[in-house]
Amino acid sequence: NAGVTQTPKFRILKIGQSMTLQCTQDMNHNYMYWYRQDPGMGLKLIYYSVGAGITDKGEVPNGYNVSRSTTEDFPLRLELAAPSQTSVYFCATEGSDTQYFGPGTRLTVL
Amino acid sequence: AQSVSQHNHHVILSEAASLELGCNYSYGGTVNLFWYVQYPGQHLQLLLKYFSGDPLVKGIKGFEAEFIKSKFSFNLRKPSVQWSDTAEYFCAVTINTNAGKSTFGDGTTLTVKP
Repeated sequence: NAGVTQTPKFRILKIGQSMTLQCTQDMNHNYMYWYRQDPGMGLKLIYYSVGAGITDKGEVPNGYNVSRSTTEDFPLRLELAAPSQTSVYFCATEGSDTQYFGPGTRLTVL
Repeated sequence: AQSVSQHNHHVILSEAASLELGCNYSYGGTVNLFWYVQYPGQHLQLLLKYFSGDPLVKGIKGFEAEFIKSKFSFNLRKPSVQWSDTAEYFCAVTINTNAGKSTFGDGTTLTVKP
């Protein structure tokens, strides 16, 4: 039981490049979340999903897109990377009213 | 929208000292409350949570937190810290009817000196 896995662990992008952050869970949880964590700050919700085929914006969705074609996968897409998107990204699921976090992806945009 | 305030950004303690980290939230309705810990280089892990019932909740590793509804507070405590408690601690609040979306505080970095 791997829980929540994220790939890649680290990535450096140039301004304007695109990439997809992968998130997979094996806990059969319906709710999934994407957060970003900036230095000295708490987590900010980017997007969330309450089940396959259903997604909605969180607090800071601009510059990102998501999809949820299966229960297991919840990828986060950056279309035109900007320096302001330099951050650590955490994926999480929710079960029994508790969130379970992945190990994070550290993204730098230069 | 609800907000969560953690008043101490950085706390430095010696081993065996007592710990209290403050957390206040700004929502008048029913909430679920959480404390998470993030050890250096690791992801967030749940320390403890409060949904209802006894306002004093006990979590892992000797941590406890007390929900005081009248003060909108959920402070984290530990009677005697260890060097291994060095980490960042996050308080989070979820409104029951808000699809489980959590609002996190900015975190408190705890450094325990051996």
